[in-house]
Amino acid sequence: GEDVEQSLFLSVREGDSSVINCTYTDSSSTYLYWYKQEPGAGLQLLTYIFSNMDMKQDQRLTVLLNKKDKHLSLRIADTQTGDSAIYFCAEGYSSASKIIFGSGTRLSIRP
Amino acid sequence: DTGVSQNPRHKITKRGQNVTFRCDPISEHNRLYWYRQTLGQGPEFLTYFQNEAQLEKSRLLSDRFSAERPKGSFSTLEIQRTEQGDSAMYLCASSLALGGRALDTQYFGPGTRLTVL
Repeated sequence: GEDVEQSLFLSVREGDSSVINCTYTDSSSTYLYWYKQEPGAGLQLLTYIFSNMDMKQDQRLTVLLNKKDKHLSLRIADTQTGDSAIYFCAEGYSSASKIIFGSGTRLSIRP
Repeated sequence: DTGVSQNPRHKITKRGQNVTFRCDPISEHNRLYWYRQTLGQGPEFLTYFQNEAQLEKSRLLSDRFSAERPKGSFSTLEIQRTEQGDSAMYLCASSLALGGRALDTQYFGPGTRLTVL
């Protein structure tokens, strides 16, 4: 079946690294995504990784994929107050059909 | 503006009324998707189109919901006889696919927030 799970909340101190974790069940997914949603706003695609990759780095963002364990993580280095948002893990398919989203992790930043 | 646009941004209606939302995709995108997001949840897939053809519908899309994309450009999502449980954010996305394979990811619009009183 298709299911994506994430922890609901994460609190980090400003300047520290944030690590948001996600597990998924469908091994046939081709793309694993991270989206960001700020209050009252739409979904912003942060980054994505192909399922045949282990890691992708993009400035302060690092995505790690463990395909064997179906585990995906997003690391945000030097977390800033502007990073406060809900982060959604999602999986997609090469057929360009639906994307399956997790319930989101709310990241809050402590001063 | 080259992004996905949705109208209206907010809609308040009374239970039992019909509502219609519109989505304008990125102009060169041939696929268009509808999702629903309720409070505290991630978006859930409703349906998607390739050009005019509706290729897949979720079991979430009850008989009261209908989506169209008559000319393969903009799409409308209509909800008939609205219920309080229909209150949610309705998101539209678009992408480009060729030969049944994705050439790009899905880009989301800002959503239409529906409140049913």
